[in-house]
Amino acid sequence: SQQGEEDPQALSIQEGENATMNCSYKTSINNLQWYRQNSGRGLVHLILIRSNEREKHSGRLRVTLDTSKKSSSLLITASRAADTASYFCATEETSGSRLTFGEGTQLTVNP
Amino acid sequence: NAGVTQTPKFQVLKTGQSMTLQCAQDMNHEYMSWYRQDPGMGLRLIHYSVGAGITDQGEVPNGYNVSRSTTEDFPLRLLSAAPSQTSVYFCASSYSRFGYGYTFGSGTRLTVV
Repeated sequence: SQQGEEDPQALSIQEGENATMNCSYKTSINNLQWYRQNSGRGLVHLILIRSNEREKHSGRLRVTLDTSKKSSSLLITASRAADTASYFCATEETSGSRLTFGEGTQLTVNP
Repeated sequence: NAGVTQTPKFQVLKTGQSMTLQCAQDMNHEYMSWYRQDPGMGLRLIHYSVGAGITDQGEVPNGYNVSRSTTEDFPLRLLSAAPSQTSVYFCASSYSRFGYGYTFGSGTRLTVV
C-alpha cells in the first residue's frame, strides 16, 4: 500500500505563480524527501526534511513537515516553465523497511 | 559525470525470455536498489542491497533476481519475462540505506510482448 499520497494529482499554473503540493502519510517516519521527475527521465532528489525539523528551504523550494498531522507541503515560488515535471514525496519509515514513494503531482507551468 | 548508469534504455522482450538490466554507480555508494514505475502505482521497490555481497527483497521481488559482487554494480535479472513486467525500471543508489537522498539512473523502459 502507498505510504505517501500527493495532492493534487495535477496542477496547472502560470509562470511566476507559486505552486504548492501536499503529501500525506500514514506511519511514523525518520525523514520525508521530495523528488522531481521530468518526462522520460529519472527522479532527481530535491530536499530531505527530518522528523525533528518543521521547515526547510533550498533556493525557490520551501518544504514544511507537520508530524502531528502526518503531512508535508512543497512550495515552489516564482515558478518557471522549466519547473514543469512530476513531483514525488517519499517517506523513510521508522520501521526501517524502505523508502516509499507516492504517486506524484504533475505540475505544468505555462509560459 | 558521476552518477548512476543504466543500460539498456529501451528493451522489447518476448514472453519467456530472460535478460539482465545493468546498473553501475561511481559514487562509492553502499546502498543500491531497483524500483519499477507503473502508471497509477508510483514506484515500487523490487530488490535492494546494503553492500557488496548483501541483497534483500523489496515489495515486489517475484520474477526478479539480483546480485552484488562489487560496490559499483547491481544488475537485475528477469528470469522468464511476463507481460506484467512491462514497466519502467529505475536503479537508485545512496550513501547509506537511511537518512540520505537517492541518486537515480535514467531508467530502462521494458516491454514484454
